Amino acid sequence: SQKIEQNSEALNIQEGKTATLTCNYTNYSPAYLQWYRQDPGRGPVFLLLIRENEKEKRKERLKVTFDTTLKQSLFHITASQPADSATYLCALGGQGNLIFGKGTKLSVKP
Amino acid sequence: GAGVSQSPSNKVTEKGKDVELRCDPISGHTALYWYRQSLGQGLEFLIYFQGNSAPDKSGLPSDRFSAERTGGSVSTLTIQRTQQEDSAVYLCASSLGGLAAQGETQYFGPGTRLLVL
Repeated sequence: SQKIEQNSEALNIQEGKTATLTCNYTNYSPAYLQWYRQDPGRGPVFLLLIRENEKEKRKERLKVTFDTTLKQSLFHITASQPADSATYLCALGGQGNLIFGKGTKLSVKP
Repeated sequence: GAGVSQSPSNKVTEKGKDVELRCDPISGHTALYWYRQSLGQGLEFLIYFQGNSAPDKSGLPSDRFSAERTGGSVSTLTIQRTQQEDSAVYLCASSLGGLAAQGETQYFGPGTRLLVL
């Protein structure tokens, strides 16, 4: 069955460092992958989409890579800030509905 | 403009009761999705409406769950004879075109937190 895993439930880093979150998947060939941010008590908010033929996407301090051979996406936040603290979800798409990972809770300490 | 809204924001009910959860999508969005998010779990797809097409109900966990979308806008998710395992956050999302295969961005509401005692 399709499976999507995000590297860890929680990630703690120091302000100013780069946060790297991992999303791995099996038994799926996504046409695209999306990353969302979710704050406590709120719904997810879309951040970035990367398609299967794209290796890298950037948006301000965010960078996403997509390796369809490794079946992995990396999500980077450079120069992290305490305001970046949230849960980040990856989602696979292209074969019907989106399949979401459980998320990684990022905490950025000042 | 206004985003996706959901009501109620919180709902506490007794086991065996029926509940109705409401979703108001963004105006003009043709697609509407319902998800369930349990503690420590990812978003679980429940049902998808696209325009006037028959809904994709493949994610509904049992026949106690049903949903409708009236007039292509507001949607109601109904859970009959609620069980304790139904306790979760129910999230609604809408998108402009709705073709998931094309990577449409989904805009989520704040969710309804359901607690079944």
